[in-house]
Amino acid sequence: TQLLEQSPQFLSIQEGENLTVYCNSSSVFSSLQWYRQEPGEGPVLLVTVVTGGEVKKLKRLTFQFGDARKDSSLHITAAQPGDTGLYLCAGGRGGSYIPTFGRGTSLIVHP
Amino acid sequence: NAGVTQTPKFQVLKTGQSMTLQCAQDMNHNSMYWYRQDPGMGLRLIYYSASEGTTDKGEVPNGYNVSRLNKREFSLRLESAAPSQTSVYFCASRRVTGITTDTQYFGPGTRLTVL
Repeated sequence: TQLLEQSPQFLSIQEGENLTVYCNSSSVFSSLQWYRQEPGEGPVLLVTVVTGGEVKKLKRLTFQFGDARKDSSLHITAAQPGDTGLYLCAGGRGGSYIPTFGRGTSLIVHP
Repeated sequence: NAGVTQTPKFQVLKTGQSMTLQCAQDMNHNSMYWYRQDPGMGLRLIYYSASEGTTDKGEVPNGYNVSRLNKREFSLRLESAAPSQTSVYFCASRRVTGITTDTQYFGPGTRLTVL
């Protein structure tokens, strides 16, 4: 059972376009993390959100945690080729923190 | 700090062969994890070690064994490799403070092909 559904699975856009990636669940999470993974590398943490309704910005990336803490979104403004990669969301519960990962969104930004 | 290191980076095995994937972290983290990543499947947890001296099964443990050798090192062993174990394997570590926001740090991965 996939507890975290990411959409879209693939995204191919031109430089300068905006995009949004979604991470949805029927379960409540105490935290939600977004990672970016470049080809041949391991995932690297971008941000952690913990409060329902929370919005965090990281340069051109905006992350939002849903009010009910069941969903999250990642919005990229004016995408650049350097944004190319696999974006993964991961939900955390409880003190031991075994995160649940979504299947990822593969983003390609063409120059 | 090297962070999380993994060896080897690439490996090709024949069905039935055995091998051990090595992982080490120099961040003094309590917890360590082994994941496999397959196309379209995301990261799936194989085994984890919450602290030195303990190991527990994750989502897909069948066909694997682990050893938490000390606080720094966590190895993954395939006793009799099968083609279904062809995958990219990631080791991760995390400093456990009881807070769910603690960051996991990942190694660069081992790309394993079983023929």
